[in-house]
Amino acid sequence: SQTIHQWPATLVQPVGSPLSLECTVEGTSNPNLYWYRQAAGRGLQLLFYSVGIGQISSEVPQNLSASRPQDRQFILSSKKLLLSDSGFYLCASDSGGGSSYNEQFFGPGTRLTVL
Amino acid sequence: SQQGEEDPQALSIQEGENATMNCSYKTSINNLQWYRQNSGRGLVHLILIRSNEREKHSGRLRVTLDTSKKSSSLLITASRAADTASYFCATDPLGSARQLTFGSGTQLTVLP
Repeated sequence: SQTIHQWPATLVQPVGSPLSLECTVEGTSNPNLYWYRQAAGRGLQLLFYSVGIGQISSEVPQNLSASRPQDRQFILSSKKLLLSDSGFYLCASDSGGGSSYNEQFFGPGTRLTVL
Repeated sequence: SQQGEEDPQALSIQEGENATMNCSYKTSINNLQWYRQNSGRGLVHLILIRSNEREKHSGRLRVTLDTSKKSSSLLITASRAADTASYFCATDPLGSARQLTFGSGTQLTVLP
């Protein structure tokens, strides 16, 4: 099975500061990669997904961007954080086009607090 | 908007009892999945049921799917305190390019 690494685990940043969250995947090749945000006590909101290197699709207009510089690396960024960017950010991976089933594997998440 | 909506939002039971959570969705799907999330952690995949299946079992888990009613249920039998977590359904809508849409979850508390 796949293992998803995310760091940092927690982050406290001031409004207007930049952001970079990193996610790496082990145990698979050519995965689809996803960034989700989860508000407290709520479900997951899909922010970005990627089907390959350099291919990023955005689901909602926002202050964030994503990049995929390598097959198993996915980065979430912002140039200037807003208070509303606070939340729990989850990276996920599935097996990509080679599998009929798209169950996703999740990283441990990053708790971001913007002050 | 959320494709899947879980019901109830919160459920509290005694250890040994069964827990049933429901999920409703709006559009046709390829499959429906259930995930578990311990507080402050990532989600863990529990079980996947395809649109042409009606029931599936995995250990103490039983999932049903009624595509005519666009609903699914997750039954956890003989619950344990360690089952305390949030449970989410996720749908793979037809034509979604493999993206999943998650519901808002059911918070299950199993009291020892």
